Amino acid sequence: SYELTQPPSVAVSPGQTASITCSGDKLGNKYASWYQHKSGQSPVLVMYQDSKRPSGIPERFSGSNSGNTATLTISGTQAMDEADYYCQAWDSSAVVIGGGTKLTVL
Amino acid sequence: QVQLQESGPGLVKPSQTLSLTCSVSNYSITTGHYWGWIRQPPGKGLEWIGSIYHGGNTYYNPSLKSRVTISVDTSENQFSLKLSSVTAADTAVYYCARMATVLSWYFDLWGRGTLVTVS
Repeated sequence: SYELTQPPSVAVSPGQTASITCSGDKLGNKYASWYQHKSGQSPVLVMYQDSKRPSGIPERFSGSNSGNTATLTISGTQAMDEADYYCQAWDSSAVVIGGGTKLTVL
Repeated sequence: QVQLQESGPGLVKPSQTLSLTCSVSNYSITTGHYWGWIRQPPGKGLEWIGSIYHGGNTYYNPSLKSRVTISVDTSENQFSLKLSSVTAADTAVYYCARMATVLSWYFDLWGRGTLVTVS
């Protein structure tokens, strides 16, 4: 079955750029989506179709997908961005979700 | 404002069947979306359970397929999850979500989630 691999954790200083990667075989041939999940809250879609931001998501969130890696980039990271982030794709009639990355804003 | 709300027992005994319902407000479930269930066990990541279209077409996580049934009730504007033969490993927060399927498949709106404990 298809798998998506994310680093367990990423740390960033406030105001700096955070990059969260998601790896999968030929992932660039599929569309990647990203979710932000804060403790005690529902997950929120922050990126879809690789690089499209839903309404209400700040411009500091951007996405890309090429080769075997999709990347969620947060520019000018703020304390409020601290959360778990999950990538997701669709493969062989199934939703595949990465293991998640804990973003810590130091 | 579109809202999804999960409901069902918060405690289920081992070997029994877990049953949850997701009620959709301010949006017709027959509009062209799929509807899905996702769970998060304590301390772990998100796991997709399955998705359904209002016409009844379903997709299931292969690892859970033998125990899962998802159904839709268009008259009540809701959809449901049944997970049979539960064990402690099925303890999780269960979310229902709306699934967009134009060009790509992703969950664009989530319910608040409900904790189900198997004990």
